[in-house]
Amino acid sequence: ETGVTQSPTHLIKTRGQQVTLRCSSQSGHNTVSWYQQALGQGPQFIFQYYREEENGRGNFPPRFSGLQFPNYSSELNVNALELDDSALYLCASSLFAVGFAETQYFGPGTRLLVL
Amino acid sequence: TQLLEQSPQFLSIQEGENLTVYCNSSSVFSSLQWYRQEPGEGPVLLVTVVTGGEVKKLKRLTFQFGDARKDSSLHITAAQPGDTGLYLCAGESPAGGSYIPTFGRGTSLIVHP
Repeated sequence: ETGVTQSPTHLIKTRGQQVTLRCSSQSGHNTVSWYQQALGQGPQFIFQYYREEENGRGNFPPRFSGLQFPNYSSELNVNALELDDSALYLCASSLFAVGFAETQYFGPGTRLLVL
Repeated sequence: TQLLEQSPQFLSIQEGENLTVYCNSSSVFSSLQWYRQEPGEGPVLLVTVVTGGEVKKLKRLTFQFGDARKDSSLHITAAQPGDTGLYLCAGESPAGGSYIPTFGRGTSLIVHP
């Protein structure tokens, strides 16, 4: 069984640039969630994708967007980067089933630094 | 917005000591999860509690869900250096067919040998 993987592990960008982060789900999982974890904070929910459609969104502006592919892998895109976007970006995959809270398995994250 | 408050924020103890970490909210959650996160890694699920008053044990770790499902505690007995890490609680409640988790800020635990 393959765990959740993310790429790249680290990334440095400048203000105004765009970034794409990638996530491969754990085998058998159909749902991907993305989180932003600033230094000293808990993860903040960005959005969730199920069957290639957004299935819930946290309090993040539209310049945070995502995609889920038929193989359930996912991308997180952030446009017009701001300094405050510097954080660890976590991807978590799970198997969605109606009526219960599915267990999420997290990847190691991508550390983004915006200068 | 549902908030989860964790206390204490930081904890530095000696090996062999006991400790308790708290997770409190004014909101009711359908379930609550505890994670441990080590530097450079994603959170790893330790336990999920679902029923009010539920107590779960995982070796030296004891987790309790409050009767009203608004709070939880994690007790570690005879802490070891390997317990060092960031302990996060996350509450889940249904929102439009999916379960949106809310994380606390975490308790950073250091266990000195």
